[in-house]
Amino acid sequence: GIQVEQSPPDLILQEGANSTLRCNFSDSVNNLQWFHQNPWGQLINLFYIPSGTKQNGRLSATTVATERYSLLYISSSQTTDSGVYFCAVIRYGQNFVFGPGTRLSVLP
Amino acid sequence: GAGVSQSPRYKVAKRGQDVALRCDPISGHVSLFWYQQALGQGPEFLTYFQNEAQLDKSGLPSDRFFAERPEGSVSTLKIQRTQQEDSAVYLCASSFRVRTEAFFGQGTRLTVV
Repeated sequence: GIQVEQSPPDLILQEGANSTLRCNFSDSVNNLQWFHQNPWGQLINLFYIPSGTKQNGRLSATTVATERYSLLYISSSQTTDSGVYFCAVIRYGQNFVFGPGTRLSVLP
Repeated sequence: GAGVSQSPRYKVAKRGQDVALRCDPISGHVSLFWYQQALGQGPEFLTYFQNEAQLDKSGLPSDRFFAERPEGSVSTLKIQRTQQEDSAVYLCASSFRVRTEAFFGQGTRLTVV
């Protein structure tokens, strides 16, 4: 099956700093989503981005489907950005496959 | 409702007890997924429904796990004779179609003691 890798596994930032999270996948996909899992366990949708670039406030994402990677950019980080960021992909009607996540801690 | 709703939010079961976890998807969503998330891990696929049809149950870890969606809306995940290794958060997601944006519920945290 498809493999999904995320880097870095852990990231500690000072409030106000910028960061880039990466997701690599091993095969072509029909759907790619980025989620933020908050401390209460809720998976919050950030982006539905099988290809191209999207922006939402301080967050933006780019997926280069031909090169099988996606990037999530967080600018001017805030303590509320802390949590785990997951990339998940779906291929040809199969189920979502999640990466292992990037655990982000933003310090005040 | 506006989002995917799961109940109960928390469940403590004695080993050997049967449990039933409920998922109310977003109205009109055809696809419904169940995932299991162990502590510190990413969600792992359990099963997938398209309307009332269970099209993929390859992720169910044993025959003690059973899921249904009889009318193509609400789904129930049942775990029989619970074991300690079943302790996890169980997440439900729905999407309009299988390749469209999926939305997750808040999950049910199951603890087997």
